[in-house]
Amino acid sequence: NAGVTQTPKFQVLKTGQSMTLQCAQDMNHNSMYWYRQDPGMGLRLIYYSASEGTTDKGEVPNGYNVSRLNKREFSLRLESAAPSQTSVYFCAINQRISGANDLTFGAGSRLTVL
Amino acid sequence: SQELEQSPQSLIVQEGKNLTINCTSSKTLYGLYWYKQKYGEGLIFLMMLQKGGEEKSHEKITAKLDEKKQQSSLHITASQPSHAGIYLCGADIPNAGKSTFGDGTTLTVKP
Repeated sequence: NAGVTQTPKFQVLKTGQSMTLQCAQDMNHNSMYWYRQDPGMGLRLIYYSASEGTTDKGEVPNGYNVSRLNKREFSLRLESAAPSQTSVYFCAINQRISGANDLTFGAGSRLTVL
Repeated sequence: SQELEQSPQSLIVQEGKNLTINCTSSKTLYGLYWYKQKYGEGLIFLMMLQKGGEEKSHEKITAKLDEKKQQSSLHITASQPSHAGIYLCGADIPNAGKSTFGDGTTLTVKP
């Protein structure tokens, strides 16, 4: 997963606590994404950023905020964590090869909300 | 919206056996890719298919996209414990710069 770095890898929160997941890329790509992965539900897009300074909602944005302050970093914030947000979170970049999307994923961040 | 359905949801095979995982789309696929995930690790890109009838191979894994571009299959020949993991198919959503994914197939290979 060289090129996309996520932190932290593991986190346990209490309901109502806040935290930020960080994602950084060293591949100079415009598009970055945050997904969550839950058993039996596959990957679902939370937010994405087509370029520096822009963000758009994905399939399941409620309860999350994102920030794309520069081309390299895309952070995901939980303002008030809920047990339903227990999941594995993946950051991805889009390398867009031959006109088709080609995503490279980070290693994932496992979040547990008690 | 475009949906991807993967089958089976889980698969247990004996080492050395062949297996196939399917990914079916409700709409025409314009870019279909396969990923593999091992527990605790990120998703690893395996292959991308774009043209109807296209077939690609990587080591003992072969992926095909049917002529109608609505179904893809991933075939593993002579499975090994190293093939174990979750296999995920994904597809482009045209003109949106985003992707949709299947629910994944969990593969267990028994030694």
